[in-house]
Amino acid sequence: DIQMTQTPSSMPASLGERVTISCRASQGISNYLNWYQQKPDGTIKPLIYYTSNLQSGVPSRFSGSGSGTDYSLTISSLEPEDFAMYYCQQYDSSPDTFGAGTKLELK
Amino acid sequence: EIQLQESGPGLVKPSQSLSLTCSVTGYTITSGYDWSWIRKFPGNKMEWMGYISYSGSTNYNPSLKSRISITRDTSKNQFFLQLNSVTTEDTATYYCARKNNWYYFDYWGQGVMVTVSS
Repeated sequence: DIQMTQTPSSMPASLGERVTISCRASQGISNYLNWYQQKPDGTIKPLIYYTSNLQSGVPSRFSGSGSGTDYSLTISSLEPEDFAMYYCQQYDSSPDTFGAGTKLELK
Repeated sequence: EIQLQESGPGLVKPSQSLSLTCSVTGYTITSGYDWSWIRKFPGNKMEWMGYISYSGSTNYNPSLKSRISITRDTSKNQFFLQLNSVTTEDTATYYCARKNNWYYFDYWGQGVMVTVSS
């Protein structure tokens, strides 16, 4: 299985701050990388698909980039509703695997 | 609007089987896409468990292959998870989700917490 190393595991941040979450795959995944947000109530929604494509309805402050083994999710200016868990997921090779998650917390 | 909702017992005894239902509204599961089960463990690790496709074929995570079965009832627009011989390690929140043609999970249920304990 492809291992996804997601960093940091937690990140204290302030409103309006720019933050970046990283995922490194154990082998190249050809941009087959998605990002999800999980809210404290447990609901999960997609943010970014195929490395850099914004899901419909997701604010433009979210963006994704990367190639090869290294990928990142950036939030350009944190809003109150952005404090949540974030996960990356690769689908280059079955089984799909997820990063361990990043908890974005209010500083 | 497409909605998925998980249901099933919140407590299962070790060595027994875990059975969950995902009820889908707003889309017919035989029309397209893959319909997956994903779980999130305490401590936040997430694991894709397997899917049943719109045609009825299945694909499972090899780590679970001997214990898992995903089936469906097309008349009720539901699909099911059965996980056999559970242990406390199977305690998790279980989600059903749809994987679309861009290969991401675009619709998720709200999740159901299952505890394996005697």
